[in-house]
Amino acid sequence: AQSVAQPEDQVNVAEGNPLTVKCTYSVSGNPYLFWYVQYPNRGLQFLLKYITGDNLVKGSYGFEAEFNKSQTSFHLKKPSALVSDSALYFCAVRANTGRRALTFGSGTRLQVQP
Amino acid sequence: EADIYQTPRYLVIGTGKKITLECSQTMGHDKMYWYQQDPGMELHLIHYSYGVNSTEKGDLSSESTVSRIRTEHFPLTLESARPSHTSQYLCASSAELTEAFFGQGTRLTVV
Repeated sequence: AQSVAQPEDQVNVAEGNPLTVKCTYSVSGNPYLFWYVQYPNRGLQFLLKYITGDNLVKGSYGFEAEFNKSQTSFHLKKPSALVSDSALYFCAVRANTGRRALTFGSGTRLQVQP
Repeated sequence: EADIYQTPRYLVIGTGKKITLECSQTMGHDKMYWYQQDPGMELHLIHYSYGVNSTEKGDLSSESTVSRIRTEHFPLTLESARPSHTSQYLCASSAELTEAFFGQGTRLTVV
């Protein structure tokens, strides 16, 4: 079975400060890892992914994430938060083999204060 | 902008009615998925397909059914809608090594 844990229901950060949204995963074999963002009444928008290669992945809107195999983590980061980054963020995982769909975490609401 | 479309965006329907939620993608992806999401909550996989005539149930039990007769089309049907089916339904598609692309979702309300 595969699973994702996002331990924080909400993260609050001041505009201009760095932000981190945490994600840990469990999967058999090597993971494919993803971050998505969701704005109210919308579908999910893709931010970035780790398939293979460099552990630091850069994505859309200045976001990046670091894959840490030993800690089974894939935390989302941004050096300087914007108020417009306020949204719901989902981490997702799937195994690189087998007939598996994406498994999502429970989501973390990011609130950036002006 | 992802080429995956869901209709309708919003649907209010009475208990006992049969409904079909449409999902189409123009990217030629083999894999397609249906997720159920209550507002602001986590996504639960209810159905997925790895190709034409291949469908499987997801992690969350659902009374809905799906079909995959054409690569681009993955409709979801509820034979008899109930208030407990009220939720948002998200369709997605992907290729083997790509991210999943999501539609805008259908917000279903059963009264």
